[in-house]
Amino acid sequence: NAGVMQNPRHLVRRRGQEARLRCSPMKGHSHVYWYRQLPEEGLKFMVYLQKENIIDESGMPKERFSAEFPKEGPSILRIQQVVRGDSAAYFCASSPSREKEAFFGQGTRLTVV
Amino acid sequence: AQRVTQPEKLLSVFKGAPVELKCNYSYSGSPELFWYVQYSRQRLQLLLRHISRESIKGFTADLNKGETSFHLKKPFAQEEDSAMYYCALMSGTASKLTFGTGTRLQVTL
Repeated sequence: NAGVMQNPRHLVRRRGQEARLRCSPMKGHSHVYWYRQLPEEGLKFMVYLQKENIIDESGMPKERFSAEFPKEGPSILRIQQVVRGDSAAYFCASSPSREKEAFFGQGTRLTVV
Repeated sequence: AQRVTQPEKLLSVFKGAPVELKCNYSYSGSPELFWYVQYSRQRLQLLLRHISRESIKGFTADLNKGETSFHLKKPFAQEEDSAMYYCALMSGTASKLTFGTGTRLQVTL
């Protein structure tokens, strides 16, 4: 089991472009969580998804951010019209159920220039 | 709203010295608390959770509800313990974690 895979590891976007961050959960895991880590801060919860459903998006900014976890394929965190303040490390975690330990990916570092 | 506070950004200790990484929380319900560790160039991984009451790599943490603390302790620090340590609280039924800002532990010879 390769672990939670995130790609790309590093992503550079110009202001106004779109950023797509991918997360492939561990085999057998149907629960995915996205977290954002701004410089000098802790990881902050963004969204919790289960296959094809958004369970909790209370940490997602109201505009420009969206997430999906389709039946087939990775979970995608999409940021439209990126701004400098979106520069951060974005972490994905997956678990087989909400009670079980979540395993983290290595993160995607987004830099907006 | 829940909050996790790790007051120290950096803790530097000598090899063999005791270690205590502080964590305080605020939460109105019954919390479930965790310590995560991130070694250099590796992913974040679970170190221990309070409900399991186990010792991992010599580390222990006791939940003190009176002081709302969950400090991480180890009697004798090793060089390989050098890493970032994050305290986290799980709340509600959504299993989302609230993290502290982390403490970098540096163990020197």
